[in-house]
Amino acid sequence: ELKVEQNPLFLSMQEGKNYTIYCNYSTTSDRLYWYRQDPGKSLESLFVLLSNGAVKQEGRLMASLDTKARLSTLHITAAVHDLSATYFCAVDMQGGRGSRLTFGEGTQLTVNP
Amino acid sequence: AAGVIQSPRHLIKEKRETATLKCYPIPRHDTVYWYQQGPGQDPQFLISFYEKMQSDKGSIPDRFSAQQFSDYHSELNMSSLELGDSALYFCASSSGLAGRSSTDTQYFGPGTRLTVL
Repeated sequence: ELKVEQNPLFLSMQEGKNYTIYCNYSTTSDRLYWYRQDPGKSLESLFVLLSNGAVKQEGRLMASLDTKARLSTLHITAAVHDLSATYFCAVDMQGGRGSRLTFGEGTQLTVNP
Repeated sequence: AAGVIQSPRHLIKEKRETATLKCYPIPRHDTVYWYQQGPGQDPQFLISFYEKMQSDKGSIPDRFSAQQFSDYHSELNMSSLELGDSALYFCASSSGLAGRSSTDTQYFGPGTRLTVL
């Protein structure tokens, strides 16, 4: 059974600081997604990582994938308050049409002024 | 750009009642997914449909059923509701038109918040 683990689960950081969220998964997969969720809201797609060594950047967020280590990271640079949200990584193990995403527990990020 | 539409957005039901949730995927998306998210939890996959056929099935209770119609919209039918069914229910859609070389990103709708009293 696929397990997806994130750490930390809770992260409180000051504006302007850098930090990294880690996502480990237990079985082989080359399709990993990062989503953002604000309280009570939908899940917003941030990044899709499709191959070993893939790196994507958007604004202050950068995601990477190491399929050999079964590890993805989401790096936050110079955090701002607007980044406060819960961040989920999700893995598509099967890769078929309509195959499920298995989510990590989520990292609740709070950026303090 | 058009997004996934879900209705209703909020639903309050009594125990043992039934509920129907509707999902309208992004135009030209042929795959629909249903997820359940309890308070403070990650989304849990329920079921998916590709071209109107069930594609994958997760931890969906036998009391629940779903289908995808010819216009690609989907409905999740829930019967004999229990208190534990209270959750956010998300529908997501993706497109298979670009083939497996595409991102197959699942785009989520706003969710239906179901409260069972």
